Amino acid sequence: GQQVMQIPQYQHVQEGEDFTTYCNSSTTLSNIQWYKQRPGGHPVFLIQLVKSGEVKKQKRLTFQFGEAKKNSSLHITATQTTDVGTYFCAAQEYSNYQLIWGAGTKLIIKP
Amino acid sequence: NAGVTQTPKFQVLKTGQSMTLQCAQDMNHNSMYWYRQDPGMGLRLIYYSASEGTTDKGEVPNGYNVSRLNKREFSLRLESAAPSQTSVYFCASRWEPRDGQYFGPGTRLTVT
Repeated sequence: GQQVMQIPQYQHVQEGEDFTTYCNSSTTLSNIQWYKQRPGGHPVFLIQLVKSGEVKKQKRLTFQFGEAKKNSSLHITATQTTDVGTYFCAAQEYSNYQLIWGAGTKLIIKP
Repeated sequence: NAGVTQTPKFQVLKTGQSMTLQCAQDMNHNSMYWYRQDPGMGLRLIYYSASEGTTDKGEVPNGYNVSRLNKREFSLRLESAAPSQTSVYFCASRWEPRDGQYFGPGTRLTVT
């Protein structure tokens, strides 16, 4: 079935450094959603991107949807300890309402 | 609003035992979902209910059954638990098919 590739699997950063995770699809998407899961917690819906080239910001988080609607990124500026967790993208195709989940990128803050 | 609630939070079963995981949402959402998440892995869809009265298989339905009891409640049943079903089970719901999903806190199930 259709897959969404999410990279990297892990990213180790010093507190204050930036973090970016990418999702790529081989097909054009209807929309893409981003979720955060804290260690031991449940996924929490962050945002949905629908339009080609869309950019949305939530404080230090910037979400982008590619012009071709096949890729997306989440960028966190100046990471803080509260940002620790796994970030998942979840894509939706035009023909199918079910979400196609990326494998997640785990953000680890180096001590 | 409690959002999405799940019971129990933790459960240990012996191989061959059965149990039902309960999920309820108070957001008047139409669609409900059951996922499993194995350690260090992503989410896999077990079953979903697009609306009250309908249920459909997801990616990994074998060994499970579901019931959409009413608009609020969606239960997941393991008829004969196996060690391969050791996982964290999340219930989720959403209003429309293209909305974000809202997750419950999860049930941590161990099958010995």
